[in-house]
Amino acid sequence: DQQVKQNSPSLSVQEGRISILNCDYTNSMFDYFLWYKKYPAEGPTFLISISSIKDKNEDGRFTVFLNKSAKHLSLHIVPSQPGDSAVYFCAGLIQGAQKLVFGQGTRLTINP
Amino acid sequence: DAGITQSPRYKITETGRQVTLMCHQTWSHSYMFWYRQDLGHGLRLIYYSAAADITDKGEVPDGYVVSRSKTENFPLTLESATRSQTSVYFCASSGAGTSWYNEQFFGPGTRLTVL
Repeated sequence: DQQVKQNSPSLSVQEGRISILNCDYTNSMFDYFLWYKKYPAEGPTFLISISSIKDKNEDGRFTVFLNKSAKHLSLHIVPSQPGDSAVYFCAGLIQGAQKLVFGQGTRLTINP
Repeated sequence: DAGITQSPRYKITETGRQVTLMCHQTWSHSYMFWYRQDLGHGLRLIYYSAAADITDKGEVPDGYVVSRSKTENFPLTLESATRSQTSVYFCASSGAGTSWYNEQFFGPGTRLTVL
């Protein structure tokens, strides 16, 4: 049972344009959602998060939107830069449980 | 080195051998985690630990053993390695109460190949 799903294995975007990465979930118990970024041969690093009681969180070029009724969240990167090329993981967290449930990841490639 | 480290970074072993992957963190974080990353599955939790001497199973614990005698170390042992355990393994840690969303910090990973 895949509680967090990223249905797009890869995404290619031109430099300067908007990148939109999508994530769906099935577990209504998640209190927070986190996005992690992963470069090759490195561990994932935290990027941005959102509480389940919010519908938007913004941090510089990165904005995460949450639609609870649709059980869907998205990460927007504007403008996209070559250094944004990485694998992005969406994860759900139940507060107190301390366990993250990850999606499969989406490989983002930013083309010059 | 400060932070979270894993050793070895690369390991090749044979089916049936015992292998131990090491994880060390210098933040005195309470929680530590082991994940495996496989294509099409993302990161899956193997085991986690809330404190020294407290461990619990994650999503895919079969074939793995963990221990945590000291807060800073969380070794993962494959008692009898199988080819299906070929994967990249990530250790992570988090400190309860350090932030409202309990961010986890990841090590650089160990790439394990079982022949």
